[in-house]
Amino acid sequence: QKEVEQNSGPLSVPEGAIASLNCTYSDRGSQSFFWYRQYSGKSPELIMFIYSNGDKEDGRFTAQLNKASQYVSLLIRDSQPSDSATYLCAVSLAGTASKLTFGTGTRLQVTL
Amino acid sequence: DAGVIQSPRHEVTEMGQEVTLRCKPISGHNSLFWYRQTMMRGLELLIYFNNNVPIDDSGMPEDRFSAKMPNASFSTLKIQPSEPRDSAVYFCASSLRRVGTDTQYFGPGTRLTVL
Repeated sequence: QKEVEQNSGPLSVPEGAIASLNCTYSDRGSQSFFWYRQYSGKSPELIMFIYSNGDKEDGRFTAQLNKASQYVSLLIRDSQPSDSATYLCAVSLAGTASKLTFGTGTRLQVTL
Repeated sequence: DAGVIQSPRHEVTEMGQEVTLRCKPISGHNSLFWYRQTMMRGLELLIYFNNNVPIDDSGMPEDRFSAKMPNASFSTLKIQPSEPRDSAVYFCASSLRRVGTDTQYFGPGTRLTVL
């Protein structure tokens, strides 16, 4: 079992819709959770992070964390074609605050 | 402020040759990370340093790989000898580690092709 799992996609949503990206992790001691966006041929860039159970909102983005079920999700409201990218989920495992383990990413396509 | 700087951006070399990748972290950051990204395996952590000291090198694939951080503003990742399976994009990232966790900022990457 991979430590961080994501559906590779592609996830296709129409412009203006809500995109929902999911990530599950195996280590119950995981402390911090990150979502990175990576455009083709570019480096990952941080979108947002979440530490506590519940929701965290930042503009059109909402991260949701459920530690009991060991999943974290990212919602993108009013999806735009510029949101088309690969979204990487990263988890900071117990006792290693600096060490991130990444999922393989979900490719999102926002169609006109 | 300048972000993480990596050089070269592209490297093409022949099997058996030595390859050196370079990274300059964001000024003031005290942690530095080397990652490798391939289609098959995604983004993998190779090694990370805290205050110039290697903390975890468990991701380094084999003895052909080595990394150094002689000072707070420079790090190298060396592959000797290189093999075709080393072809990948290598990213360097840096962060300011503090209590709790830290945010990593990635450089533009070096695309390595070993023929």
